[in-house]
Amino acid sequence: GDSVTQMEGPVTLSEEAFLTINCTYTATGYPSLFWYVQYPGEGLQLLLKATKADDKGSNKGFEATYRKETTSFHLEKGSVQVSDSAVYFCALPRLATSGTYKYIFGTGTRLKVLA
Amino acid sequence: DAGITQSPRYKITETGRQVTLMCHQTWSHSYMFWYRQDLGHGLRLIYYSAAADITDKGEVPDGYVVSRSKTENFPLTLESATRSQTSVYFCASSAGLIRDTEAFFGQGTRLTVV
Repeated sequence: GDSVTQMEGPVTLSEEAFLTINCTYTATGYPSLFWYVQYPGEGLQLLLKATKADDKGSNKGFEATYRKETTSFHLEKGSVQVSDSAVYFCALPRLATSGTYKYIFGTGTRLKVLA
Repeated sequence: DAGITQSPRYKITETGRQVTLMCHQTWSHSYMFWYRQDLGHGLRLIYYSAAADITDKGEVPDGYVVSRSKTENFPLTLESATRSQTSVYFCASSAGLIRDTEAFFGQGTRLTVV
C-alpha cells in the first residue's frame, strides 16, 4: 500500500548548519507531496508542497524537490536557526478504496538546533 | 474566528469512562480527519469523513466512534477509555479532492487515561 518513509531522528545541528531530512514514498501515480512542521505544543502546519514531478516547493528558506525517478521529496535548508527546532513530517494525500480521501504521514523527524 | 478548534486542550480521564473530543471548523471543508500522535508512530489516522453523514475507518479505529451530523463538527468518542488511548489527538480538515489541497490542523488534545 501507499506509504511514506522518513529518516530517523532526532537530528541535532548547530545554528547555520545545512539541513537535509530524507523522505521517500511508495504510491501509484504521481501524488502531490507535502512537508508539515510541528512546533512545540502546537498542531501541524503546512511548510511547503509540490504538486507534480520536478516541482520545487519552498518556504521560510526550506526547499524540497519532487523527484519521481527516486520517489523522493527531501527537505533542505542552507542555514538553520534555533527557531527551526521542531518536528517535520512528510505527507501525501491519497484516494482511499472507498473513493474518499486521506493523508498519509511519515513518522516525523525531530530537529534540534543549538545556538 | 476562522479556523479549526479542538476542545478540550487537555483531558484526564479514568479507565472505562466515555470521553468525547470536539472538533469544529469554520471553513465548511468537506473532509475532516482524526489522528493520534504517539512517540515512535508519528501520526496515525483514526477516522475520516468526506461529508456530513459519511465517515470511514482509518488505520486504528478500534475503541473509537465518530459522527458527523453537521459539516463543521466532527466529534471523536472513546466509548470506554483504556490506558493505550493516552495520546495527543489532532483533528484536521481539508477542502477536498483537489490535487494540491492541504490539510489544516487543530492545536491538539492531550488525553491521559489513568
